[in-house]
Amino acid sequence: DAKTTQPNSMESNEEEPVHLPCNHSTISGTDYIHWYRQLPSQGPEYVIHGLTSNVNNRMASLAIAEDRKSSTLILHRATLRDAAVYYCILRDLNAGGTSYGKLTFGQGTILTVHP
Amino acid sequence: EAGVAQSPRYKIIEKRQSVAFWCNPISGHATLYWYQQILGQGPKLLIQFQNNGVVDDSQLPKDRFSAERLKGVDSTLKIQPAKLEDSAVYLCASSRQGRGADTQYFGPGTRLTVL
Repeated sequence: DAKTTQPNSMESNEEEPVHLPCNHSTISGTDYIHWYRQLPSQGPEYVIHGLTSNVNNRMASLAIAEDRKSSTLILHRATLRDAAVYYCILRDLNAGGTSYGKLTFGQGTILTVHP
Repeated sequence: EAGVAQSPRYKIIEKRQSVAFWCNPISGHATLYWYQQILGQGPKLLIQFQNNGVVDDSQLPKDRFSAERLKGVDSTLKIQPAKLEDSAVYLCASSRQGRGADTQYFGPGTRLTVL
């Protein structure tokens, strides 16, 4: 699986935008970029995913660099409830065999939101 | 729709004892995953089922861990005998088909403490 690199931790103030970076210099043309987050004492939850173009949903926006070697998850107005570990994960569109649909989690970025 | 259900939520056992975890995925989801999450780390895939067949169990310690998914719905994960290093949160997840862009939905997890 292609690897991703994320900062260990980031801090933000409530109601301010947050930009969470992810580097994936070895990404292949068929890798989707997925973001999941894990709130304290809960299982991970899906945030957003994209392939080449920027994506928006009700939770966040995903900005993908033109060369696809990096991406940024954008939370437009952080709330205290957004404090979580954020994972950037690559998944092969054409996954088969033992990598079929598997999520390979790294350490993620611990986001702290201050009131 | 109802989420992924897991039980028990917490379990404390002594080493060399046996333990079993249960998971009920989202209705209609063909793919079921069991992950192990050690404190401070991201989840690690233990086993993946597609309907009632195993797709990936490459990281399952087969000398002590076993899992089954009867009739392609519920699943159980068993540890026998448990070791101290098995202390972790065991997460169950499901997805519709398990392909590259498919969203995985996680349950709340079972926190296992081995004394």
